[in-house]
Amino acid sequence: QSVLTQPPSVSAAPGQKVTISCSGSSFNIGNNFVSWYQQLPGTAPKLLIYDNNKRPSGIPDRFSGSKSGTSASLGITGLQTGDEADYYCGTWDSSLSAVVFGGGTKLTVL
Amino acid sequence: QVQLQESGPGLVKPSETLSLTCAVSGYSISSGYYWGWIRQPPGKGLEWIGTIYHSGSAYYSPSLTSRVTISVDTSKNQFSLKLSSVTAADTAVYYCARWWELSYFDYWGQGTLVTVSS
Repeated sequence: QSVLTQPPSVSAAPGQKVTISCSGSSFNIGNNFVSWYQQLPGTAPKLLIYDNNKRPSGIPDRFSGSKSGTSASLGITGLQTGDEADYYCGTWDSSLSAVVFGGGTKLTVL
Repeated sequence: QVQLQESGPGLVKPSETLSLTCAVSGYSISSGYYWGWIRQPPGKGLEWIGTIYHSGSAYYSPSLTSRVTISVDTSKNQFSLKLSSVTAADTAVYYCARWWELSYFDYWGQGTLVTVSS
């Protein structure tokens, strides 16, 4: 049971937009920065979004992050088959004094 | 370009201690940042193990703290993980990564699979 809650799977057609949610509490998302990671099959996770909505160099602007209260979202526009991956949200939990991750969301581009 | 590379035995016997090392290149550990370990059991999600600063200050997962030790060797620019009394539940791909304190992991190693089995 993950501290952060994500939908197990989402799907959309190529070219469409998808949003992945990440729900937490005031101890984690509510008072700390959220990051998002993309994990392509058989590879290590890759930082996609940090500090709620910032993109590292090299990450296309098709990827965006937002946060409101105790929830965060990752948006992906112009979906490509290469976006098929597992996506994880993460943050610091001030109550646990621990890094916490969501359970992950598998994106399928139909 | 910062690069991290995990190394260590791929097979550990139950009740023994798992030991892994992460070699860092392209950045001096003693210059700053925290450095951490994350694992992923086969077919499952990410689990944070712990992180350490070059001074030795560390954070550990509450569920693993009794079994985990993370140490840093600035002279070799590497840091290490020891997990004691392992069971089959500790079988996972273990990743090392650089951590911006209380925030995000920006550089990751490729990961190494450790299997706990007799």
